[in-house]
Amino acid sequence: NAGVTQTPKFRVLKTGQSMTLLCAQDMNHEYMYWYRQDPGMGLRLIHYSVGEGTTAKGEVPDGYNVSRLKKQNFLLGLESAAPSQTSVYFCASRVAGGTDTQYFGPGTRLTVL
Amino acid sequence: EDQVTQSPEALRLQEGESSSLNCSYTVSGLRGLFWYRQDPGKGPEFLFTLYSAGEEKEKERLKATLTKKESFLHITAPKPEDSATYLCAPRNNFNKFYFGSGTKLNVKP
Repeated sequence: NAGVTQTPKFRVLKTGQSMTLLCAQDMNHEYMYWYRQDPGMGLRLIHYSVGEGTTAKGEVPDGYNVSRLKKQNFLLGLESAAPSQTSVYFCASRVAGGTDTQYFGPGTRLTVL
Repeated sequence: EDQVTQSPEALRLQEGESSSLNCSYTVSGLRGLFWYRQDPGKGPEFLFTLYSAGEEKEKERLKATLTKKESFLHITAPKPEDSATYLCAPRNNFNKFYFGSGTKLNVKP
């Protein structure tokens, strides 16, 4: 099992450009999450999904959109990137119920110039 | 307001020097407190979940404990390979996780 994978690992954007981050998991998990991690701050939840075809807003959703068309994939989109979105983005997944443990991907480092 | 604070922000230990990391939290209806380890350039890796005050869990040189307001991660006789950032994340009764900013541990040989 690959677990949770994220594509790409690094990306540099100019202000106003758009991009999509891909998260894939092969553990058949129902729940998937997108977080951002900034220096000196804890992980902050952007959006999450409790199942295929469903999405919900987290703590810091502005400027981001998500889609969960397939159970194994969760996409995070930036329509018009801003320097404030420079961060490291982590995807996580977990089973519904059970131990509630989230399994994280390796992260995507995004720089917006 | 639900919140979590980890201390210290950074901790330097000599190999074999035991210590504790603190996670203070205020959440509505705690439904689990999670500890993760994060190595540089990687995603957090799950360590422990604690569900009720008085609960303890151990893994190698690490032991996590939980009270109604705090959780401690005790590190006994640490080795350089224990160097990492340790994150705690209490979850409230609305299934929301609150991640702390972490304690960066550096163990010198």
